[in-house]
Amino acid sequence: GVTQSPTHLIKTRGQQVTLRCSSQSGHNTVSWYQQALGQGPQFIFQYYREEENGRGNFPPRFSGLQFPNDSSELNVNALELDDSALYLCASSFGTGGGFGETQYFGPGTRLLVL
Amino acid sequence: AQTVTQSQPEMSVQEAETVTLSCTYDTSESDYYLFWYKQPPSRQMILVIRQEAYKQQNATENRFSVNFQKAAKSFSLKISDSQLGDAAMYFCAYRSALENKLVFGAGTILRVKS
Repeated sequence: GVTQSPTHLIKTRGQQVTLRCSSQSGHNTVSWYQQALGQGPQFIFQYYREEENGRGNFPPRFSGLQFPNDSSELNVNALELDDSALYLCASSFGTGGGFGETQYFGPGTRLLVL
Repeated sequence: AQTVTQSQPEMSVQEAETVTLSCTYDTSESDYYLFWYKQPPSRQMILVIRQEAYKQQNATENRFSVNFQKAAKSFSLKISDSQLGDAAMYFCAYRSALENKLVFGAGTILRVKS
């Protein structure tokens, strides 16, 4: 399945953070979502074959990487209080768009920014 | 932009009975995919059921079935023979065939009473 690390993280405003995700074996696509408390997840961006392949309404201080070994990262610079949320990654096997493939989610990383 | 609305913030059902969770969506597209995800307190988002818009037949997965009304843009989830393990937050999600992101509703908390 999809795994994420760490499970919890506490940072202070202005710091930088890296969250990690290990995709399901054989999947070539990873998507990242931000879920604020009591809300549905919001799409941050997607990576397909190590290239960004779609981005939601998030500023450039949210960036990502996808590696050939089924792992990926979400990096957030200059943390703000509103970045406190559950961050979910989801992996899938797709064609880069228009396929509607099912996304399989990890358990998430809970980030608290003080 | 597409939107997904779940009008029931919270629902309760007696064990072994049937409950229906509502979802409506707004889109101008004809080709898309709809999903129901379950998020228990453990936080891991689990796929419950998936529906392709081009299919007229409603999807079913064991005790879970949907009522997909394309003209009305409605996608409700019916859970039969409810079990204590069904208690969770349920999210309805939309994915356009033209984009890579899932658009989620705000969720419905389902409580199962024994």
